Parts: sequence; structure tokens; C-alpha cells
Amino acid sequence: GAVVSQHPSRVICKSGTSVKIECRSLDFQATTMFWYRQFPKKSLMLMATSNEGSKATYEQGVEKDKFLINHASLTLSTLTVTSAHPEDSSFYICSARRTDRGVNTGELFFGEGSRLTVL
Amino acid sequence: SQQGEEDPQALSIQEGENATMNCSYKTSINNLQWYRQNSGRGLVHLILIRSNEREKHSGRLRVTLDTSKKSSSLLITASRAADTASYFCATDENSGNTPLVFGKGTRLSVIA
Repeated sequence: GAVVSQHPSRVICKSGTSVKIECRSLDFQATTMFWYRQFPKKSLMLMATSNEGSKATYEQGVEKDKFLINHASLTLSTLTVTSAHPEDSSFYICSARRTDRGVNTGELFFGEGSRLTVL
Repeated sequence: SQQGEEDPQALSIQEGENATMNCSYKTSINNLQWYRQNSGRGLVHLILIRSNEREKHSGRLRVTLDTSKKSSSLLITASRAADTASYFCATDENSGNTPLVFGKGTRLSVIA
């Protein structure tokens, strides 16, 4: 089946540094990917919609300058947490909508998640 | 934003008992999905039910969907300790490139 790979699965960084998380669709194309954030014992909250070749669409309350999203190809979206702060520590999960020759198939696949700890 | 509201938020049962979790949502949907998540891990897709379906089974799982009430339920029969996890419903409008919208989840504890 279709696989979405997230990397790194775990990352620890110091406050003030930037961290990049990759979301890659391994055997399908995805013009649209989604980034979610999950705090401990909470549900997934949508942060932004990543669109290939255009700017991401951010949900209300999500700082676009802090959470930089780049969807440079049909198989890769990256989330960069800039100037990380301990409050940014969280579990970040991406998902990808499968497209077939540019048409949305309706199928959606999730990555395994990336746990960020900011010291 | 979150659409679904799971009920109950936490559920503790004995092994062998059935566990029922409910989910309500607000908008029109194309399908509704249930996911499982073990602590600190990624999501595991359990079952998808389309808006024109009323009930679906998969092994020990039974899902119902009532679009008139905008609600769904997940029943796990003959629960096992290994079923201990958080369970989330997620609605899919599948209109263009829309995301799944997750409910708050139910934390299920199955005691051996």
C-alpha cells in the first residue's frame, strides 16, 4: 500500500534553533499534504495545508513565519520550526492526499509522526 | 479546527467486555474514519465508512453511521488488553483537497 515517510521520527534541539521535518510520499504523488500537531493526550489539530508549487494555507492561530512549509515537489513537503521554543515541543504528523495524474483519488495516508523536544 | 466530539473521553473496561465509543460531527461528509493511536505512536487506520453506508464490520470492529444525527459509533467486541489505546474519529469532506478533521478522541483502557 501507499506509504508516507516522515523524518526524523524524533528530534531534540536547543531553544532558538530551527528544525526541519520532512514528509515524503514514497510511491505516489501528492499535490496536497497536511500538517497536524498533537499535544500529549490530545487530538490532532490541523496546522496547515501544504500545496505543491504554491504557498501553504495556515489555520487560524498558526504562525506562518514560525512554521515554514515548503512543498517543492509532488512527493515532498517540509515543515521547519524556526527559532524553536520549549512550547513547540509536540508530536507533528503529516498526511498526504494521493493524486493520480493530477486528479485527487480521495485516498489519504499518514506519516508515522515526528516527536520534537525543545530544551 | 476540530469537528468531532468523542464520547466518552475515557473508558475503562475489563478484558472480554465490549467497548463502545461515539463520535458526533457538524458538517456534511463524504466519509468518516476511525483511527487508533498507541501512546507516543502514529495513527493506525481502522475502518472507513462512507456517507451512504450505515454499518460496517471489520473483525471485532463494528462501525455505524447516522448522517441524519451526524454521529457515528465504534464498537470493539470481546476487548483485549492490547486494545488499550486512544481512538479517534475523523471526518472527510473529500471536497477538493480537504484534510481529515479529527475528534478529541477516547482513551480506552482494557484491564486484564
